[in-house]
Amino acid sequence: KNQVEQSPQSLIILEGKNCTLQCNYTVSPFSNLRWYKQDTGRGPVSLTIMTFSENTKSNGRYTATLDADTKQSSLHITASQLSDSASYICVVSGGAGSYQLTFGKGTKLSVIP
Amino acid sequence: SQTIHQWPATLVQPVGSPLSLECTVEGTSNPNLYWYRQAAGRGLQLLFYSVGIGQISSEVPQNLSASRPQDRQFILSSKKLLLSDSGFYLCAQHRDAANYGYTFGSGTRLTVV
Repeated sequence: KNQVEQSPQSLIILEGKNCTLQCNYTVSPFSNLRWYKQDTGRGPVSLTIMTFSENTKSNGRYTATLDADTKQSSLHITASQLSDSASYICVVSGGAGSYQLTFGKGTKLSVIP
Repeated sequence: SQTIHQWPATLVQPVGSPLSLECTVEGTSNPNLYWYRQAAGRGLQLLFYSVGIGQISSEVPQNLSASRPQDRQFILSSKKLLLSDSGFYLCAQHRDAANYGYTFGSGTRLTVV
C-alpha cells in the first residue's frame, strides 16, 4: 500500500531558528516528490518538486532533500519567519497511474516570536 | 501561467440541501482535474478526477458527484447534503506528467448544519 508518513506531526520553533521536517514514503513506482505549504484555510502551494535523480532543491529559505534509496525526504527551513507558520505537506507521485498522488498528513509548524 | 478559481470560499448549508461547488482553470487546456476533501488532522482525500470533458472517475463511494461540462470547468455537487459532508474541499489541476505541475485552488470551507 502506498503511504507517506510525515514527522513530526507538529512543531513549535522560535523566530529565526532553523527546522527540518521529515517525510518517509513507500510509494512505488516513484515519479516525483513535492513539498507544499498550506496556510490555514487556503489551498496548498508548491514549494519544491524533485524527481528520483535530484538530491536537493532549494526555494529561497526552503531546501528539500531526497534519498530515493531510503525513500526519505526532508524539508529544511532556514531562519524561520512568523509567516512560515503553516502546514507542510509531503506528496509523492507514482503508483498505478501518473495522476496518482499520495499525500502525507502534514506537519503543522508554528513559528513564535 | 495556470490559475485555478474556486468558489465560494466558505459555505454554510442545512442538512438535506443541494450543493454546487465550481472550479475553473485558466492558462491551460485539457487539464486533469481533481476534487479533494481535507478533514482536520487528516491528509487530502481524492474524491473525483477527470481527464476530459464528461469523463469522471470516483475514488470513494459517497454522497457527492462531479461533472465536467467544459474542458476547464469542474463541478462538485450533491442532491442532499449530510452532516458528514462538512469539510474543506480543494480543486486541483495537473496539465501533464512531464510538467509535473500540480496546482490547487484556494479551497471551499463547507459546513453542513
